[in-house]
Amino acid sequence: SQKIEQNSEALNIQEGKTATLTCNYTNYSPAYLQWYRQDPGRGPVFLLLIRENEKEKRKERLKVTFDTTLKQSLFHITASQPADSATYLCALTSGTYKYIFGTGTRLKVLA
Amino acid sequence: GAVVSQHPSWVICKSGTSVKIECRSLDFQATTMFWYRQFPKQSLMLMATSNEGSKATYEQGVEKDKFLINHASLTLSTLTVTSAHPEDSSFYICSKLRTDTQYFGPGTRLTVL
Repeated sequence: SQKIEQNSEALNIQEGKTATLTCNYTNYSPAYLQWYRQDPGRGPVFLLLIRENEKEKRKERLKVTFDTTLKQSLFHITASQPADSATYLCALTSGTYKYIFGTGTRLKVLA
Repeated sequence: GAVVSQHPSWVICKSGTSVKIECRSLDFQATTMFWYRQFPKQSLMLMATSNEGSKATYEQGVEKDKFLINHASLTLSTLTVTSAHPEDSSFYICSKLRTDTQYFGPGTRLTVL
């Protein structure tokens, strides 16, 4: 069955460092992969989308890579700040409206 | 981006009652909207796709008679949890699509006593 794995353990990093979150998937051929931020008790907020033919995407301090051979995406936040503390979700779609979401990785940036 | 609102943001009800959750698209008309459910520390699970002017499409395992969806206008979709039970307590989130990206509402926390 289709499966997305994100590190369920919380990730604690020091302010100013680069946070790297991982999203691995199996039994799926996604057309798009997306990253969302979710704060406690709130709906997810869209951050970045990367297509299957793209290797890397950047937006300000965010960078996403997509390796369809490894079936993995990495999400980087450079110069991390305490305000970046949240849960980050990856989501896959084969190009239809149906998205499969990971359980998310909780990031905590320590001041 | 795109703007989606939900109402109420939280609701507490007694077992056996029905609860209606509204989802509004504030910036553009949405012929299709989506309803998700999220249990603590779990991923978002798609419940159903709401289609304006037609019946909703439910995912496998979701009871259509229990989770009534109405999409009467291009900017409003409603989810009614009928005869709610404690196991229906969850975080309900709606979304809409814009150019391959889903934009989510702020969510509704339902607690059934």
